[in-house]
Amino acid sequence: AQSVTQLDSQVPVFEEAPVELRCNYSSSVSVYLFWYVQYPNQGLQLLLKYLSGSTLVKGINGFEAEFNKSQTSFHLRKPSVHISDTAEYFCAVSTAGTASKLTFGTGTRLQVTL
Amino acid sequence: SQTIHQWPATLVQPVGSPLSLECTVEGTSNPNLYWYRQAAGRGLQLLFYSVGIGQISSEVPQNLSASRPQDRQFILSSKKLLLSDSGFYLCAWSGGTLNTGELFFGEGSRLTVL
Repeated sequence: AQSVTQLDSQVPVFEEAPVELRCNYSSSVSVYLFWYVQYPNQGLQLLLKYLSGSTLVKGINGFEAEFNKSQTSFHLRKPSVHISDTAEYFCAVSTAGTASKLTFGTGTRLQVTL
Repeated sequence: SQTIHQWPATLVQPVGSPLSLECTVEGTSNPNLYWYRQAAGRGLQLLFYSVGIGQISSEVPQNLSASRPQDRQFILSSKKLLLSDSGFYLCAWSGGTLNTGELFFGEGSRLTVL
């Protein structure tokens, strides 16, 4: 079975600063990896996903993530954050090759301030 | 394109009253359907999932039940609500030829039990 760890429950950052939200996964087989964003009182929206191919994945709103198989990580980054990026971010993993369910991390609250 | 809707968006109910949350998906057939719950400040908890009409799997034993009377309709119910049922409920679907496990979420339903 797969699992996901988001070590940081909260990440405070100033506007226009860079940010990295960490995600590590555990799986014995090939995986698909996802980052979702949730704004207050809304559903989750897909930011980006890694299915195969290039390990650097670009998503919406200027976010990108890099799949690192040796470190079993899929960290999310943005070079310059905006106030509107304040939200909860969830990393998720599913197992390739099966009718799989996503396993979610516990989420990271990104708080952007002036 | 595919869309997912759930309602009501907000619900305030007394303890012991019944509950019905409804979710419908359009633009796809035979989706996998899911109900998640978020308690305040907590991550996502998978409650139920369904791979077809009348097929329901429960992830967590509790006061709630789910039904799938039609291919693209998923209902979350309770006969008698508890205070602990308060939370943000999210419906989601997955499917498609790749079957990567990627989920598409509804807008969420905020339930407050008093």
